[in-house]
Amino acid sequence: EMQLVESGGGLVRPGGSLRLSCAASGLTFSIYSMNWVRHVPGKGLEWVSYISGGSSIIYYADSVKGRFTISRDNARNSLSLQLNSLRDDDTAVYYCARESGPSGGAFDIWGQGTMVTVSS
Amino acid sequence: DIVMTQSPDSLAVSLGERATINCKSSQSVLSSSTNKNYLAWYQQKPGQPPKLLIYWASTRESGVPDRFSGSGSGTDFTLTISGLQAEDVAVYYCQQYYGSPLYAFGQGTKLEI
Repeated sequence: EMQLVESGGGLVRPGGSLRLSCAASGLTFSIYSMNWVRHVPGKGLEWVSYISGGSSIIYYADSVKGRFTISRDNARNSLSLQLNSLRDDDTAVYYCARESGPSGGAFDIWGQGTMVTVSS
Repeated sequence: DIVMTQSPDSLAVSLGERATINCKSSQSVLSSSTNKNYLAWYQQKPGQPPKLLIYWASTRESGVPDRFSGSGSGTDFTLTISGLQAEDVAVYYCQQYYGSPLYAFGQGTKLEI
C-alpha cells in the first residue's frame, strides 16, 4: 500500500517562503491525483490544493491562490508545495493526501503531516 | 461555494450508546449523472492524520468497523456510531467532493465519552 511522508516544514517569518515535499512509496504514484490539506491546531481541516496524475489539472483554494504552487515529479514519486508570501494564518500542519479511485474523490491515504509556523 | 455545516460542534456519549453527527451542505452534492452523493466522513485523533471512514455518503472504507454508518442524500447527511467504544473518541469531519471549491470540509464535531 502507498505510504506518504511529508517534509520541509518549519518556522518562517511573515512574507517568507517554504517548500514542502511529500515522498510516496509504491510504483503507482502517477495514476493518482494528489492534494494538500492543512489543519490549524485547535481548528478544522482546510483543503489547499489539487493536482491530477499527469499535472494537467491544478486547483487551489482561494485563500492560497497566487501564493502557493503545487507540483509533482512522477519519476521521483514526489509531490511538492511551494509556499510564498506566507502569512500568520498559514500556520498549520500540512498533509499530503491521495485521492481514492473507488471513492470518486475522497482521500484514502494521508501522510503524517509537517508543521509550518509563520511568526515574527 | 459549497459550505459544509456540522452539528453539534461537540457531544458526549456513554460507552455502548449511539452517537449521531449531522452534516448539511449549502448545495446538493448528489450527482444526477452518477446518482451518487459526493460526501465523505473522516475521523481524526489527536496527533494523527484524518482517516477515511465513509465515502459516497454511505460506503464504508475497507477495514472500518461496521458500527460506523453513513446516511443521507442531497444536502443532509448523518454519521452514526453504534455501540460507542473508548477508541472512537476523536473529531469527525464531513467533506464534499462534488462542487466549488473542489473540496470542502465541515468544521468538525468533537466526540467525547
